[in-house]
Amino acid sequence: DIQMTQSPSSLSASVGDRVTIACRASQFISSYLNWYQHKPGKAPNLLIYEASTLQSGVPSRFSGSGSGTDFTLTISNLQPEDFATYFCQQSYNTPYTFGRGTKLEIK
Amino acid sequence: QLQLQESGPGLVRPSETLSLTCTVSGGSIRSSNYYWGWIRQPPGKGLEWIGSIDYSGDTYYNPSLKSRVTISADTSKNEFSLRLNSVTAADTALYYCARRAAVGRKFDYWGQGTLVTVSS
Repeated sequence: DIQMTQSPSSLSASVGDRVTIACRASQFISSYLNWYQHKPGKAPNLLIYEASTLQSGVPSRFSGSGSGTDFTLTISNLQPEDFATYFCQQSYNTPYTFGRGTKLEIK
Repeated sequence: QLQLQESGPGLVRPSETLSLTCTVSGGSIRSSNYYWGWIRQPPGKGLEWIGSIDYSGDTYYNPSLKSRVTISADTSKNEFSLRLNSVTAADTALYYCARRAAVGRKFDYWGQGTLVTVSS
């Protein structure tokens, strides 16, 4: 199975900040990397697919980059509603695997 | 707007079978460009893909669970189901149903999740 390693596991930031979350795959996954936002008690929300494509309806302050094994999610101008857990997922092959998540908290 | 909703018992006895259903509204599970699947998250652990079913009824399972899992669909009710047999405490988790789009290979819609506890 492809292992997905996210860093950091938690992050404190302020409204208006720019933050970056990293995700590394244990082997080549091309650009088949997705990013999700998850708030407790709610359905996970797809933000970015194929490493850098913004899902319809997602604010443009979210962006993704990378290919091969190393990827990043960047959130610019943090808004109060952005404080949540973010996780990556590879869709290069089955079994699809996920990162452990990064909890973004208010400083 | 597509919506997915999980339902089923919140408590299952060890060695018995866990059964969950995902009811889909706002779209048809017979759409050819989508897969309908299950993902779980044990307490304090990461997400684990369990498996999926496509519009033709073909199934795809995580090898780690394949011997115990069955995913099926009822197109007349627009719902799909998960059966996991011989459960143990390790199967205690928050279970999500989700749609995966063939384009982008992305899980673009998820249910809110349902907690299943395995305990006697």
